[in-house]
Amino acid sequence: EVQLVESGGGLVKPGGSLRLSCAASGFTFSSYSMNWVRQAPGKGLEWVSSISSSSSYIYYADSVKGRFTISRDNAKNSLYLQMNSLRAEDTAVYYCAREGITIFGVVMSWGQGTLVTVSS
Amino acid sequence: DIQMTQSPSSLSASVGDRVTITCRASQGISNYLAWYQQKPGKVPKLLIYAASTLQSGVPSRFSGSGSGTDFTLTISSLQPEDVATYYCQKYNSAPFTFGPGTKVDIK
Repeated sequence: EVQLVESGGGLVKPGGSLRLSCAASGFTFSSYSMNWVRQAPGKGLEWVSSISSSSSYIYYADSVKGRFTISRDNAKNSLYLQMNSLRAEDTAVYYCAREGITIFGVVMSWGQGTLVTVSS
Repeated sequence: DIQMTQSPSSLSASVGDRVTITCRASQGISNYLAWYQQKPGKVPKLLIYAASTLQSGVPSRFSGSGSGTDFTLTISSLQPEDVATYYCQKYNSAPFTFGPGTKVDIK
């Protein structure tokens, strides 16, 4: 069974930093591209970032480009999101999301999410 | 970047009704379009990809169609368990933008 467990969320002040982690299990992590998708309270889904299986291809939404960094450690079956210069509008539940093995960009599996709150 | 829009933003229908949700891309995306269902308080779930391919385990009352810029998600006979917000997503290339969502409830 595919399991994606996020951690690292919490309350942070504007301008601060936070690092999210996602522990993956139940599948061959190194074979799949991974994403972060967020959802602000009461709002819709927003794609944040994507990283290919070998980290060769990395993409970001314009709203986080230059502030967020996605990375992965295939030896540890883990995905990360380093978030710097956080703003109030970054407040959201952040989901770790696995793509299909041949259907790039489509989220097949989701974690339960971790809440990030940016507030003074 | 390509923008995604959905209509309507919300709808209310009776059990058994046929429900249609529209998703439009600002530029052509071929059939690189997915639909997700998010029930209240739950994690999103993939319903359809490649515009019309039903994900394994999804009830056959859900169907998708379209290509290029205009797409539809149809629920042939609305059930109480279909109360949810539905999102389309483009995935022809990054950014993998989601539509704003369509909230469906029971009249």
